[in-house]
Amino acid sequence: KAGVTQTPRYLIKTRGQQVTLSCSPISGHRSVSWYQQTPGQGLQFLFEYFSETQRNKGNFPGRFSGRQFSNSRSEMNVSTLELGDSALYLCASSLASQKDTQYFGPGTRLTVL
Amino acid sequence: SQQGEEDPQALSIQEGENATMNCSYKTSINNLQWYRQNSGRGLVHLILIRSNEREKHSGRLRVTLDTSKKSSSLLITASRAADTASYFCATPIIKAAGNKLTFGGGTRVLVKP
Repeated sequence: KAGVTQTPRYLIKTRGQQVTLSCSPISGHRSVSWYQQTPGQGLQFLFEYFSETQRNKGNFPGRFSGRQFSNSRSEMNVSTLELGDSALYLCASSLASQKDTQYFGPGTRLTVL
Repeated sequence: SQQGEEDPQALSIQEGENATMNCSYKTSINNLQWYRQNSGRGLVHLILIRSNEREKHSGRLRVTLDTSKKSSSLLITASRAADTASYFCATPIIKAAGNKLTFGGGTRVLVKP
């Protein structure tokens, strides 16, 4: 089976712009989660989608949003970018529940100038 | 705040030696997962240990779990230069309906040839 894929791999934006990141989960996986990784804050949970519904949400401002499509692919959007949004954004997929292993994609490196 | 805390934060060993790192967590769990990350790339799942298991092996990896002490350890035996990476423990939030992993700060391991 193909692994989790994320596009684009690298992105450079300027403050105030918005960005959309995409994640394709492993075939058959219905849960998709997003994480932000920065040197200062480490790995932080953004949100999780399951069957096109947001099932969990982390402590991020409303500028961060996401959605999931019927084929389980997911997108996350960050509006009005700030310098502090520069990070590695990781997507993970799993079969369904927290009892299942989460498999991560290679990440999207976002740089905000 | 992070659920897990790894110890040590960094570890430098010679090839062939064993590497041990520890993870402590705060709340009840139903499983604990270990991941490896090479230099800013995605996370690779190493092993999942359930709360009713005390020890688990996978190749050169040995994981222990002590739920009474809320701690886990990861042992890499006969280390290789390719084991150079950051290692993270992660636990699902048991009260969350779905998937929401919280990560420790990681242990950076350097294996010198």
